[in-house]
Amino acid sequence: GQNIDQPTEMTATEGAIVQINCTYQTSGFNGLFWYQQHAGEAPTFLSYNVLDGLEEKGRFSSFLSRSKGYSYLLLKELQMKDSASYLCAVRDNSGAGSYQLTFGKGTKLSVIP
Amino acid sequence: GAGVSQSPSNKVTEKGKDVELRCDPISGHTALYWYRQSLGQGLEFLIYFQGNSAPDKSGLPSDRFSAERTGGSVSTLTIQRTQQEDSAVYLCASRYGGLEVTLSTDTQYFGPGTRLTVL
Repeated sequence: GQNIDQPTEMTATEGAIVQINCTYQTSGFNGLFWYQQHAGEAPTFLSYNVLDGLEEKGRFSSFLSRSKGYSYLLLKELQMKDSASYLCAVRDNSGAGSYQLTFGKGTKLSVIP
Repeated sequence: GAGVSQSPSNKVTEKGKDVELRCDPISGHTALYWYRQSLGQGLEFLIYFQGNSAPDKSGLPSDRFSAERTGGSVSTLTIQRTQQEDSAVYLCASRYGGLEVTLSTDTQYFGPGTRLTVL
């Protein structure tokens, strides 16, 4: 099984940098995903890490340390539209091959002027 | 279509009634997932379909929940004798599921969800 922890809420200022952490305990690991979900909308894919290190994609970066069971999502030059929930999800590599994603409860980020 | 679609977007029903929720995955995607998202909770896996294989039903919370996928495309999630605790947003996601594994083929794409309210 999987156990995923991330902070419930965070607040940051427009133009600033914010780091959202995610820790996980897993019986099988085959990648970690970050999704963004605006209120009342579907989650949308942000990033994917399967190897240790930093993946950069514009203003968003994601880091993974498999030995520590730890990831973070880094958002730079925050904009008001970045106010959303950010979901950390771990993919299972169990024999069923279903590539299930187990999601954390999400971190609600509020960007203030 | 361009993305995953779900219908209805909102459903209000009375306790004890049956409901059907529909999902149209992205064309060509062989993998389809149903999730449930309750207020303040993470996405909870319900069921997974991959091609013609037997579905993975390990996440279904009770035998009141069932799902089918006809013709390897459209899927219907059925909840019988609804209870108030079934109130949630039900999300469908699809994935390419092909043998060629790349980031894009491994990514799940979500529909807008159906908000179910059981009175």
